[in-house]
Parts: sequence; C-alpha cells; structure tokens
Amino acid sequence: DAGVIQSPRHEVTEMGQEVTLRCKPISGHDYLFWYRQTMMRGLELLIYFNNNVPIDDSGMPEDRFSAKMPNASFSTLKIQPSEPRDSAVYFCASSLRAGGIVLTQYFGPGTRLLVL
Amino acid sequence: KQEVTQIPAALSVPEGENLVLNCSFTDSAIYNLQWFRQDPGKGLTSLLLIQSSQREQTSGRLNASLDKSSGRSTLYIAASQPGDSATYLCQAAGNKLTFGGGTRVLVKP
Repeated sequence: DAGVIQSPRHEVTEMGQEVTLRCKPISGHDYLFWYRQTMMRGLELLIYFNNNVPIDDSGMPEDRFSAKMPNASFSTLKIQPSEPRDSAVYFCASSLRAGGIVLTQYFGPGTRLLVL
Repeated sequence: KQEVTQIPAALSVPEGENLVLNCSFTDSAIYNLQWFRQDPGKGLTSLLLIQSSQREQTSGRLNASLDKSSGRSTLYIAASQPGDSATYLCQAAGNKLTFGGGTRVLVKP
C-alpha cells in the first residue's frame, strides 16, 4: 500500500482565499484523522471520522474550517476564508479498528500551509 | 480535560547510551497510549502502541511501559544510535486524542 497520501504537499496562499487540503487514507482503514501542528500549540486533533461519519469535530477552531469524507477513500479539509494564523502543517492519519481495539495510526507526510 | 506532558523537552546523549523518555497524562481513563517518532519536516511514524490492558510493549531496541494508575508511560531506547535522533511524541487516547509536546533527542556520535 502507498500509505496515507496528502495533497498538496505545500500551499502558499493569500489571506482571504479558500484552501482545500486532500487526503487519501490507507485502503481498508475505517478511521481518518485530521491534525494541525504548529510551534506554539504542538499537534492538535481537529476532527476524526469513523466509516466516513464525523465523530468528534470539537477541535475544529472555528466555522471557517470544514471537513468532509464523501467516501472511504477520500477526505478534504477546507479553510474559507484563510487567515495568516492558519499557517501550519496539516496532517491526515488513518487507522483500523479490529476486535474492538483501535490500532496504530498511520500518518501522511503533511501539507505545509502558509497564508500570507 | 486530558493534559499530556513530556519532560524534558530536549535531550542530548552520546552514542551507545540508553534513552529514557517520559510521558505523563492527567486522565487515566485511556484506551491506549501510542509513541511516535517525527523526523524534521516529516510526518509521524508510530513506534509502539500500548493498549490500556497492557503494561508494556517491545520492538527491537524499543520498550514502552504504561502505568495508568500513576498516569505515566516511559519509552526506553537501548544502545542509542545517531539515527535515533528525532522528536519523540506520545499520544494518550481516551475521550480525546491528546499529544504531548514531544522530546527532541540528539544522539552524538
């Protein structure tokens, strides 16, 4: 398997523009997570899905952020409008639940977002 | 609210020395604890996952222990090598998934 795939790897945009980050989880995994990493706040969970359904979005900072998972092999994280404080590395991860136990999370390479 | 702390924030050791990395958490109601490694500019790689019913996990030179009652996990890396230089993060999985701030490790040749 190719692992978790994220695109784009780098994104530079201007304040006010819409940004869409994409993620393809590992085939067969039923959990998908979106994280954000900054120097100031470390790694934070934004939202996670189970079987394409959002389970916990309490980490989404504000209404400018939205995430969707239309099918088991694709998810998007959208920021509209973007602001300079959204600059961060955004990671997607996926995992599998087996026998009632959530297994190891596998992370994608991340998308480095810079909002000017 | 779960808080996860990793002390120290940075650690430098000579090659060959054993590494001991600490992770403490405030809410013992977790279902697992996971240790990750992150190289500069890269994503996270899972090292070990300890289920709440387990006391420890081992993989090669790595051993992780979990003591839920005291809210602690420890990652041991035996006979450190320069290639072990990275940031190590722990994540407590319970009601929320919470990362510690990480320990940046430098192993000097």
